[in-house]
Amino acid sequence: AQSVAQPEDQVNVAEGNPLTVKCTYSVSGNPYLFWYVQYPNRGLQFLLKYITGDNLVKGSYGFEAEFNKSQTSFHLKKPSALVSDSALYFCAVRDRVSGGYNKLIFGAGTRLAVHP
Amino acid sequence: NAGVMQNPRHLVRRRGQEARLRCSPMKGHSHVYWYRQLPEEGLKFMVYLQKENIIDESGMPKERFSAEFPKEGPSILRIQQVVRGDSAAYFCASSPGTGGETDTQYFGPGTRLTVL
Repeated sequence: AQSVAQPEDQVNVAEGNPLTVKCTYSVSGNPYLFWYVQYPNRGLQFLLKYITGDNLVKGSYGFEAEFNKSQTSFHLKKPSALVSDSALYFCAVRDRVSGGYNKLIFGAGTRLAVHP
Repeated sequence: NAGVMQNPRHLVRRRGQEARLRCSPMKGHSHVYWYRQLPEEGLKFMVYLQKENIIDESGMPKERFSAEFPKEGPSILRIQQVVRGDSAAYFCASSPGTGGETDTQYFGPGTRLTVL
């Protein structure tokens, strides 16, 4: 079965420091991977995705993610965190078992807290 | 280009009543997905629809839940005879297609259903 794991419930970072939010996946075949961010009482906002090509994917708001096939990981990173980055982050993988369309399987989410 | 629209944003129902949630996809998007988010959890896929067709309803409970996406008008998620366990945030997402650059899902703000 295809799945996504976000091993950390919460990540705490000081403003200005680099941040990493971890994600590992389990799929059959080549994965399509996504990161979304959710602010309180809001919907999910798309940050970035990996389909193919460069392992380092750049996305919105200065975020990037590194695809590592050997470690089956897709960690989200940002060189310098902002207090406004504090939110809930979800990693997701596209379910390719179901015929190729874009049913997403989400991780449980990681809450990022950036302290001034 | 307006984003995905959902209404109502908040819905309160008593046990046994019906809940009707609406989703208008982004302009030009013909693929609609419904997800449910329980408190402090990730999103779980419920159903995928294209215009006038249900493509996959494998994540939707077999009883009391139904979904439609008519030729004209918004997609509707309908929950009959609601129970307290139906209390959750329901998110709609849309995409223009299902391959490569067209498969990114964009999410609406969600409908928060509370069953008393």
